Parts: sequence; structure tokens; C-alpha cells
Amino acid sequence: AQSVTQLGSHVSVSEGALVLLRCNYSSSVPPYLFWYVQYPNQGLQLLLKYTSAATLVKGINGFEAEFKKSETSFHLTKPSAHMSDAAEYFCAAPSSGVYYSSARQLTFGSGTQLTVLP
Amino acid sequence: GAVVSQHPSRVICKSGTSVKIECRSLDFQATTMFWYRQFPKQSLMLMATSNEGSKATYEQGVEKDKFLINHASLTLSTLTVTSAHPEDSSFYICSARGHRGRYEQYFGPGTRLTVT
Repeated sequence: AQSVTQLGSHVSVSEGALVLLRCNYSSSVPPYLFWYVQYPNQGLQLLLKYTSAATLVKGINGFEAEFKKSETSFHLTKPSAHMSDAAEYFCAAPSSGVYYSSARQLTFGSGTQLTVLP
Repeated sequence: GAVVSQHPSRVICKSGTSVKIECRSLDFQATTMFWYRQFPKQSLMLMATSNEGSKATYEQGVEKDKFLINHASLTLSTLTVTSAHPEDSSFYICSARGHRGRYEQYFGPGTRLTVT
């Protein structure tokens, strides 16, 4: 079964600094991968997704993520943090070991709270 | 595109009453909808998966008689918390998945349930 690990439950960066949020997945088959952002008391918004087309994926709000098969990683980055980036970030991957499971559930990481310091 | 709404956004009810939460896909047909529960500062816990016109599949440990899910159409799913108790207080989020072959889920804004 798939598992998703997010290293660092809390990350603090200064405004203008590089943002790096880490995500590792467990499946041996390169899956679809997603990053979602959640602002307080809101649902999740899709930031970007990897679908095997390109290893470097660009998303909304200046975020991007690079899929590295050798490291089973899909880390999220942004060159320059803004105060508005402060939120909870979740990495997710399809749950089932069966690649084309009809249910297509997602397994979420435990989340990383990003704080941006002025 | 891919907008999901949830209603109500916030509800307070008394212990023993039932509460219905609606989840709608506004601009696409949702073949599958998911219901999650989220505790403060924690990740999402999948409660159940529902497909239009069929019974929901509940995750282990989720009481199907307490959390009734009805996926009546390709754009609407409802979660009814029956005989609510204070321990049911939580943030409930729905998501919807559209086209066959695609994994990404689109999330509603969530419903904050408080049971007094």
C-alpha cells in the first residue's frame, strides 16, 4: 500500500526566502503525485500534480515540484516566500497498490505547516 | 473549472439531533465523491467513498449507521450525521473526482460541525 511521508510538520521561512517542503512516497511504481494547500478553515486547493509527463511540474502561486524516482521524492519549492503562502501543505498519492483502482482514493501525508516570517 | 461547494459552512447542533451536509460539484459531473474528517492540526481521515447510484464504501472504524452518505446524482452527495454527540464535532470536507482515469480530487470548503 502507498504511504506518503512529509518530513517536518512545521517549516518557518523568512519572507523572500526559499521554500522547501519535503515529500517522499513509498510505492515502487511512479504514481501520480499531488500537492494541495489548505488555508485555515478552508478545504484543500490543488497546487500542482505530477502525471508522468514531466519531472519538473509548475503549479499555481509560483510553486513547483520535482519528481525524483531514484529518491522517491516529490519536494515542493518556491524561490521567494510571500506572507500569503502561510498555510498547511499536503502531499498526496493514489492509495491503492493497484495502479488503476476504480476508486482512485488518495493517501495524504501528515501535512506541513508553513510559517512565513516578516 | 472543477468547483465543489459545501453547505453549510458551519453548523451548531444539540446532542442527539441529526445534521445533513451537502456537497455539490458545480461545473463537472463527479463520478466519485469522498468524505473526510479532519481534526485540528491533523491530516485528512477518509471516512467513505461514494459513487453515484450505489452504496458508499466506508473505511474501517467508521460507523455507517451514524454517518449516512447518499450520492443521489452526479453532482450531489450528502453526509448525515445521525444522533450527533460532542465527539462528532469536527471539520468535515468532501471532495469530488471527475473523469475516468484521473486521480485528482477537488475539494469543498469544508463544514465545521459543533455539537453542544
